[in-house]
Amino acid sequence: NAGVTQTPKFQVLKTGQSMTLQCAQDMNHEYMSWYRQDPGMGLRLIHYSVGAGITDQGEVPNGYNVSRSTTEDFPLRLLSAAPSQTSVYFCASSYSKDRGNTEAFFGQGTRLTVV
Amino acid sequence: GQNIDQPTEMTATEGAIVQINCTYQTSGFNGLFWYQQHAGEAPTFLSYNVLDGLEEKGRFSSFLSRSKGYSYLLLKELQMKDSASYLCAVRDQDRDDKIIFGKGTRLHILP
Repeated sequence: NAGVTQTPKFQVLKTGQSMTLQCAQDMNHEYMSWYRQDPGMGLRLIHYSVGAGITDQGEVPNGYNVSRSTTEDFPLRLLSAAPSQTSVYFCASSYSKDRGNTEAFFGQGTRLTVV
Repeated sequence: GQNIDQPTEMTATEGAIVQINCTYQTSGFNGLFWYQQHAGEAPTFLSYNVLDGLEEKGRFSSFLSRSKGYSYLLLKELQMKDSASYLCAVRDQDRDDKIIFGKGTRLHILP
């Protein structure tokens, strides 16, 4: 049981480059989300999805795009990387609220550095 | 909007008990989570409260008071491996059940 698979684990980008962080889950979870974690800031929600074909913005969406073409996959795209996007990124998935306790399962994180 | 507050850091002694508090303000409360995160690792689920009261799970317990917008995580018989950050998170049903996290409490355990 793979759970939430997030790739890559580490990445260095130059300012202006674009890239996609991959996230896949095999638990048939409806809800998926992306967070970034910076020192002293905790986890901040970037984008989330309540099901295939549906996405919405979180607290800090600027500079990021997402899509949810399947239940399993929820990629995060950096359009034009900036040093302010240097951070650790976590993907998470869970069942929808209708199933009661909806603990989130997290991927192992992507440590991104933009130079 | 949402506001979640918890202490930045706490220190406790091995074998002791520690209580980590979390206060929140949200328009559509629909559950509160506690997660543990060791340095360099992903958060892992500890507990979930949606009704008032105490939920006990081994050495860890979590309490919720919805009327006061208050929760705490109680850790008993502290072990060195409990040194980690503890994250309080709230689900808001008025916002598509988004889960918003507090900044976390870094717990240091002394021998």
